[in-house]
Amino acid sequence: GPKVLQIPSHQIIDMGQMVTLNCDPVSNHLYFYWYKQILGQQMEFLVNFYNGKVMEKSKLFKDQFSVERPDGSYFTLKIQPTALEDSAVYFCASSPHWGSSAETLYFGSGTRLTVL
Amino acid sequence: AQSVTQPDARVTVSEGASLQLRCKYSYFGTPYLFWYVQYPRQGLQLLLKYYPGDPVVQGVNGFEAEFSKSNSSFHLRKASVHWSDWAVYFCAVSMSNYNVLYFGSGTKLTVEP
Repeated sequence: GPKVLQIPSHQIIDMGQMVTLNCDPVSNHLYFYWYKQILGQQMEFLVNFYNGKVMEKSKLFKDQFSVERPDGSYFTLKIQPTALEDSAVYFCASSPHWGSSAETLYFGSGTRLTVL
Repeated sequence: AQSVTQPDARVTVSEGASLQLRCKYSYFGTPYLFWYVQYPRQGLQLLLKYYPGDPVVQGVNGFEAEFSKSNSSFHLRKASVHWSDWAVYFCAVSMSNYNVLYFGSGTKLTVEP
């Protein structure tokens, strides 16, 4: 079936540096999401994105975070600068519809970010 | 505010035994409830969903879940577990017709031979 790809599965970075997490969504999807999961805790919504714009973001989406999808390529989450509390697994998801049932929401396998 | 609690971080069952994974939700209004499964090195996959209606919903691979408004629960069940069910299971809630999901912390299921 359709797959959302997140490569690499693990990134290690020094605190204060910039990191970009890449997501290759399902090709005909229009809505994109990032979720964050700290080890042992709930997966939490960060942001959703459509037509080049952030539609909604949570309080976890700090000013240091940004998202974009330049020229229909990867959907990216950039953190600049990184902080220790940014260490988590970040899940990307995409969907062809807005406000549809969650059965059309496809998740990637996550990128584990470790900030040292 | 909406939230989901999965009280069991880890569950171990023998192959062929029955399974129940617990999920409690907190939500003001009519919840839409979901169970997702994550197999090793894969993304989350939808197992089943509850929209207001029949409280017992059937999912893939023999899974079912029962919504209980009085108990604020949405427990996942399977009559006979297979080794391939070894995975992490997430319960989630959302507002109606809205894609933002609020997840529990997950239950890691281990299946013993």
